[in-house]
Amino acid sequence: GAGVSQTPSNKVTEKGKYVELRCDPISGHTALYWYRQSLGQGPEFLIYFQGTGAADDSGLPNDRFFAVRPEGSVSTLKIQRTERGDSAVYLCASSLTVGAQFFGPGTRLTVL
Amino acid sequence: QQPVQSPQAVILREGEDAVINCSSSKALYSVHWYRQKHGEAPVFLMILLKGGEQMRHEKISASFNEKKQQSSLYLTASQLSYSGTYFCGTAHGSGNTGKLIFGQGTTLQVKP
Repeated sequence: GAGVSQTPSNKVTEKGKYVELRCDPISGHTALYWYRQSLGQGPEFLIYFQGTGAADDSGLPNDRFFAVRPEGSVSTLKIQRTERGDSAVYLCASSLTVGAQFFGPGTRLTVL
Repeated sequence: QQPVQSPQAVILREGEDAVINCSSSKALYSVHWYRQKHGEAPVFLMILLKGGEQMRHEKISASFNEKKQQSSLYLTASQLSYSGTYFCGTAHGSGNTGKLIFGQGTTLQVKP
């Protein structure tokens, strides 16, 4: 079956612009997670959803970051007024319940 | 707090064994192990739950010492395909959480 997919695979934007990153989880997975990973570091937790609701958003760094999952499947991570420090690989993962998380290939965000 | 992994890097010859440790300063509910190859997404290896048994995936096994708040990953008779960066992700509290806090990673290189 299909794994987690993320689009776009690469995104280059200018400082101050708005970006949206999309995640399609594995079909039937109720939990969806967003992480970001900087070079040489482990993934850093941002937010996770159970169904449509955000179960834990304690990792969102500030109010420029927002994520939605309106129908309990696809999720979008939205970043407003991007800053150079937002540059990273944004990883999405999904799981059947709260358990083994299966990661997508990531979106590499570069803020110039 | 981020779990601490040791060692930071290991170089092995094919067929040799290695141990990677993951220690937390907070009480653990579960530990997840992942392997990530350069430019790819982390791949799930196994989960160890509080009170659970030692787990095994092919020639890789792991243990969970609740008292020491530590997990160890054992790679036996290493193969070239084992090369990559290994991350532990820890879950805390009651366990009904998808939030994982990842260590900084251990880079493993297996040489012929």
